[in-house]
Amino acid sequence: IAGITQAPTSQILAAGRRMTLRCTQDMRHNAMYWYRQDLGLGLRLIHYSNTAGTTGKGEVPDGYSVSRANTDDFPLTLASAVPSQTSVYFCASSDPGEDGYTFGSGTRLTVV
Amino acid sequence: GENVEQHPSTLSVQEGDSAVIKCTYSDSASNYFPWYKQELGKGPQLIIDIRSNVGEKKDQRIAVTLNKTAKHFSLHITETQPEDSAVYFCAASRGYSSASKIIFGSGTRLSIRP
Repeated sequence: IAGITQAPTSQILAAGRRMTLRCTQDMRHNAMYWYRQDLGLGLRLIHYSNTAGTTGKGEVPDGYSVSRANTDDFPLTLASAVPSQTSVYFCASSDPGEDGYTFGSGTRLTVV
Repeated sequence: GENVEQHPSTLSVQEGDSAVIKCTYSDSASNYFPWYKQELGKGPQLIIDIRSNVGEKKDQRIAVTLNKTAKHFSLHITETQPEDSAVYFCAASRGYSSASKIIFGSGTRLSIRP
C-alpha cells in the first residue's frame, strides 16, 4: 500500500541523547515535511525539503536537523534531546498536481 | 508569515445536528485552503479543500466556504454521525502544488453525542 512509513511508532529517550526519526515514502513525491503536534498548538512545521538534495527551515527548526539524500527518505535528527521536544512527530509528503499532503502515522517521542 | 486561527477548540453536537468550524488567515496571498481530519492515533487525512477562485465546495455531508475579502473560511458538517468524532484542522498556503508550505490552525476536537 502506497504511503508514508514512520519509525519508531513511539520512543522514550533520555535527555541529552541523540535520536533519528525515520520517514520513508513510496509515492515518489518531490516534497517532504516534518511537523510536530502539541496539545492546543496544532501542527507546526520543523523542516521541509522541496526535492532531493535540498532542505529548508520551518517555524520551529531549533534543535532539529534533516537530510534528503534521495527522494524516498527524509530522516529527522535530534542531536541532543531536551524535554521540550516531547511531542508527536508527523512526516508528510506532497507533489505537484496532487491535493494536499499525505501524512504518516506519527512518532510519539517522550524525552525524560 | 501566514497565521491561521481556528475556533472553537472543542465542539460537541447531537448526532444528526450540524457542526461548523471557523478559521481566519492573515496572508492575503494564500490561495489554497485544505481541511484535515485526524482520528485517534492516526495522522491527519485530507477531507476537503477549496481554492481562492471558488466561494463554496461540497462533498456529500461536508462543505467549505471561503470569504477572501474577510480572509475567513469555514467547514460545515451536516447530519453528523458518530464517525465524525475527530480533531479537525484547517490550513492555508500560497499554492496547492508541492513546496507550498501549509500552515495549520490549532485544531477543533469535535464530539458527536448519541
